[in-house]
Amino acid sequence: QSVLTQPPSTSGTPGQRVTISCSGSSSNIGSNAVNWYQQLPGTAPKRLINSDNQRPSGVPDRFSASKSGTSASLAISGLQFEDEADYYCAAWDDILSNWVLGGGTKLTVL
Amino acid sequence: QEHLVESGGGLVKPGGSLRLSCAASGFTFSDYYMSWIRQAPGKGLEWVSYINSRGDYTKHADSVKGRFTISRDNAKNSLYLQISSLRAEDTAVYYCAREAGRLGFDYWGQGTPVTVSS
Repeated sequence: QSVLTQPPSTSGTPGQRVTISCSGSSSNIGSNAVNWYQQLPGTAPKRLINSDNQRPSGVPDRFSASKSGTSASLAISGLQFEDEADYYCAAWDDILSNWVLGGGTKLTVL
Repeated sequence: QEHLVESGGGLVKPGGSLRLSCAASGFTFSDYYMSWIRQAPGKGLEWVSYINSRGDYTKHADSVKGRFTISRDNAKNSLYLQISSLRAEDTAVYYCAREAGRLGFDYWGQGTPVTVSS
C-alpha cells in the first residue's frame, strides 16, 4: 500500500491534455516538494519535473506540475504517443523521515 | 556527465545473500545522499534505503529493516546494498539513485535484477 495515492491508469488521445493526481498528507506533500518520474517501457525511471516546475534539460514544457495543500498534479499538454509510460510521484515525509512514493499511473495514448 | 551503474544482482535461494554495488561517475559522489529503490515485476517503485553523504546515517524501509544494509565508500565513488535473509518478495530490479534535495532523485542507474527462488 503506497503512502501517496495515484490513479492506476489514465488515457488520452494525441494533442489532448491529461492530468495525473497524487494525494498525500501534511507530512509529505503538504510540507515538501513533489517530484514526478517517468518510466518508459523497459527502462529505468527518470526525473521529469517537480512541484516548483523545475525540469531537467530535455524535458519539454508540455509537462507542468502543481501542488495545493496535500495534493499534487502532473499535467501533460499536447499529448504524444511517446508520452505513453508509467508516472510516479514522490516526496519526503517529515514524520517517517524517508521518501514516500505513489503507486504509479499508467498513461495510455490512444 | 553523471552516471550510475549497478551490479551484483542475480539468482539466489531464499535465505541467501547478495551484495549490490553502484559505481558513480561524473560528479562529486561524496557531496550527495544516495538511495536504493526497487521495483518488483509488474509493480511500482518502492524506496528501500538511503545514506547521507558522509555515510554515518542510514535509514531503511520497514520491509527490509534488519535484513538490508546500505553503505558507501566515498574514496571509491561506490554505493552498496548488502541484502540478506532474502525472501521471494524481495525479487525486484534494484536501482541506485542520487538525491538532490527538492529535485528528488535526479539521476538513476539502469538497475540490477535480483531473483529469489529455490
